[in-house]
Amino acid sequence: AQKITQTQPGMFVQEKEAVTLDCTYDTSDPSYGLFWYKQPSSGEMIFLIYQGSYDQQNATEGRYSLNFQKARKSANLVISASQLGDSAMYFCAMGSSGNTGKLIFGQGTTLQVKP
Amino acid sequence: EPEVTQTPSHQVTQMGQEVILRCVPISNHLYFYWYRQILGQKVEFLVSFYNNEISEKSEIFDDQFSVERPDGSNFTLKIRSTKLEDSAMYFCASSEIGERNEQFFGPGTRLTVL
Repeated sequence: AQKITQTQPGMFVQEKEAVTLDCTYDTSDPSYGLFWYKQPSSGEMIFLIYQGSYDQQNATEGRYSLNFQKARKSANLVISASQLGDSAMYFCAMGSSGNTGKLIFGQGTTLQVKP
Repeated sequence: EPEVTQTPSHQVTQMGQEVILRCVPISNHLYFYWYRQILGQKVEFLVSFYNNEISEKSEIFDDQFSVERPDGSNFTLKIRSTKLEDSAMYFCASSEIGERNEQFFGPGTRLTVL
């Protein structure tokens, strides 16, 4: 069975500093995708970044980068130069094998950016 | 930029009543999903839909739930007889391709069952 684990219920970071949100996963599928979503207090789910299991390079999207370590089954999100607007819940998710494409989510990490 | 829309944003209903949650996926997307998030908890998969049929459903998606794509644009989730534990945020999502493409989520419908 597939599983996503986020072990940090809450994190604090000083504005303008970088922060790493941890995510580990477990799957026996050779092909999968890893996603990060941001959920602000308003509730919507905002797609941030995607990493395919066969991608050779770590994904980057602006201030977001994904530290993908396949052998360790980890896909940590790095946010550089934190902004106050980054305060939100962050979910790591994995796309399942097969054509259904369902996402399995971790428990989430609440990030608070301090001014 | 195209986006997934959902209506209503908030629905309050009495236990035992039927509710229909509506979604308009992004127009060129082929895969559709419903997820739910009980307050303060993680997002849980309910059902995926492709080519006018359910491709996968979770244990949560029992006989009380059904999905439909009644026309070329809408995608609906029906809960036949709501229970208190159905109170949650329900998210619709869509994607172009199955597993390797990102899913775009709608803003959610908050369902409150009294």
